[in-house]
Amino acid sequence: EVQLQESGPGLVKPSQSLSLTCSVTGYSITSNYWGWIRKFPGNKMEWMGYISYSGSTSYNPSLKSRISITRDTSKNQFFLQLNSVTTEDTATYYCASAYVYYGPYGYWGQGVMVTVSS
Amino acid sequence: DTVLTQSPALAVSPGERVTISCRASESVSTGMHWYQQKPGQQPKLLIYGASNLESGVPARFSGSGSGTDFTLTIDPVEADDTATYFCQQSWNDPTFGGGTKLELK
Repeated sequence: EVQLQESGPGLVKPSQSLSLTCSVTGYSITSNYWGWIRKFPGNKMEWMGYISYSGSTSYNPSLKSRISITRDTSKNQFFLQLNSVTTEDTATYYCASAYVYYGPYGYWGQGVMVTVSS
Repeated sequence: DTVLTQSPALAVSPGERVTISCRASESVSTGMHWYQQKPGQQPKLLIYGASNLESGVPARFSGSGSGTDFTLTIDPVEADDTATYFCQQSWNDPTFGGGTKLELK
């Protein structure tokens, strides 16, 4: 069974970088597409981007200057880095898996709540 | 961006039939998917490709539509279906609807 688990700091200061890890078990990240999706307070959900089975990436244009998704295939993990965060980046961050590059996302992590505050 | 519009909330009685709508600001063909999210849990995929039932999801759930108008139907509704339901399009850069909170009377 495919399982995803997010990890990372729950509190980040404004202007700093947010870094999260998604650890995957039960499936190799050298197959499929692996994305980050966040849910803001109030329910709005935003697709942030993905890294593919080959290591190629695609990002939400609204985040393109601040986001980077990378991976470590030896550890079966992929990573999110979001630079220059503001309080508007406070959200629950999910990693998820899709067979097709833009979804649907069939497997999700539990999510990690990240608060941006000084 | 393709904007997806959902009604914010619905209240129905157990045993009834409920339809949840999602309207896209432009055509997404059948690139529409539906998720269920309960408080404190991750989203769960219910329907993909507008009308295909995800494995393991009860047949009480069904989806329909193409182009700009889509519907998720639950028939009959059960108490456990209390949740927020999101649509997501994959025709271009993915976007999500604002969610419909389903409450049971």
